[in-house]
Amino acid sequence: AQSVTQLDSHVSVSEGTPVLLRCNYSSSYSPSLFWYVQHPNKGLQLLLKYTSAATLVKGINGFEAEFKKSETSFHLTKPSAHMSDAAEYFCVVSAAGAGSYQLTFGKGTKLSVIP
Amino acid sequence: EADIYQTPRYLVIGTGKKITLECSQTMGHDKMYWYQQDPGMELHLIHYSYGVNSTEKGDLSSESTVSRIRTEHFPLTLESARPSHTSQYLCASSDRAIEAQYFGPGTRLLVL
Repeated sequence: AQSVTQLDSHVSVSEGTPVLLRCNYSSSYSPSLFWYVQHPNKGLQLLLKYTSAATLVKGINGFEAEFKKSETSFHLTKPSAHMSDAAEYFCVVSAAGAGSYQLTFGKGTKLSVIP
Repeated sequence: EADIYQTPRYLVIGTGKKITLECSQTMGHDKMYWYQQDPGMELHLIHYSYGVNSTEKGDLSSESTVSRIRTEHFPLTLESARPSHTSQYLCASSDRAIEAQYFGPGTRLLVL
């Protein structure tokens, strides 16, 4: 079994300040982890993915995430928020090798960026 | 840039109508998926396919059906639409089961 918990349903930051979106996961097997972003009235876009290579993963638009097995976390960060970052962000886990071929989505974190 | 397309983007229909939501991808991916997403909520998997002539139901019970006759095409059909089917439907595909899925832009369905 696998699950994802996004610890904040809504995060608000000022433009130019750091962004932290928190995600904890549970999985019986070595997981693959992803972050997706969804802008209003748009589909989901892959930001970055972790698939058992380097624990610090760099994605598009300046985002990165660090896989911490001991803490079962995969938090998303960005040094400086931009207005265009305002969107919904989903943390996702896939249990590699478990025979489970489905992704499990978190409930999402809405990021607001204040000018 | 992922090449996965959904039509229509928006659809308003009356109760009892039969509708088909189209999804096509040009990446040659074997695996395709349909998700349902209500506003402000997480995605729920309703159907998936690992290849031609393979279809399975997902976690969320759905009255829709799917078919996979060609690798690139994965349409979803509602035989008799009801207001409870009002939602956004997202199609996705992936090359390998554990790899990232690429999403289409979605179809927003409103059943009156």
